[in-house]
Amino acid sequence: EAGVTQFPSHSVIEKGQTVTLRCDPISGHDNLYWYRRVMGKEIKFLLHFVKESKQDESGMPNNRFLAERTGGTYSTLKVQPAELEDSGVYFCASSHRDFAYEQYFGPGTRLTVT
Amino acid sequence: AQSVAQPEDQVNVAEGNPLTVKCTYSVSGNPYLFWYVQYPNRGLQFLLKYITGDNLVKGSYGFEAEFNKSQTSFHLKKPSALVSDSALYFCAVRVMGANQAGTALIFGKGTTLSVSS
Repeated sequence: EAGVTQFPSHSVIEKGQTVTLRCDPISGHDNLYWYRRVMGKEIKFLLHFVKESKQDESGMPNNRFLAERTGGTYSTLKVQPAELEDSGVYFCASSHRDFAYEQYFGPGTRLTVT
Repeated sequence: AQSVAQPEDQVNVAEGNPLTVKCTYSVSGNPYLFWYVQYPNRGLQFLLKYITGDNLVKGSYGFEAEFNKSQTSFHLKKPSALVSDSALYFCAVRVMGANQAGTALIFGKGTTLSVSS
């Protein structure tokens, strides 16, 4: 079974530019999560999809962040325009069922905004 | 507010010795507790979880953790450390919401485990 994949693995952009991160969850997993870890701090929840619907987006920092999951398969997270404080590692995770089941994480995308 | 604390930024242990990585939590409701490990340049890997039942849970790579409700702790342990256990360890908790919304994981800051040969 293929794991969660994320693309790109690393992105370096200038302040004000746009970046789109992609996550492909494990096949059949309805639940997809985005998290972010800023240097040395906790991993923070951004949002949660159930299939193509946003179940919880309470962790999205502001309206410069837009997440989509068209068709309930892969998801994209767009940052537009990027700011310096957006730098960090963005993780995607998926799970087959909610709650008691563990989430499986991708390798992350390291975003550097200069 | 719900939170997870990992009081040690780094734990150093010699190979063959027992190791403990500490985790305490503060939640309202019954916690579902998880440990994840991150090796360099890799994603988070699931180690073990506590949902209900026996307070001592066993996981991957010989790790185990003990749920202590009175102390609100979920410390990760291993009887005999290996150099290959050196990595970043994260404790996390989930709590059920009224409509099962907000079921994201709440993470601690992580503890770097360094096992010397």
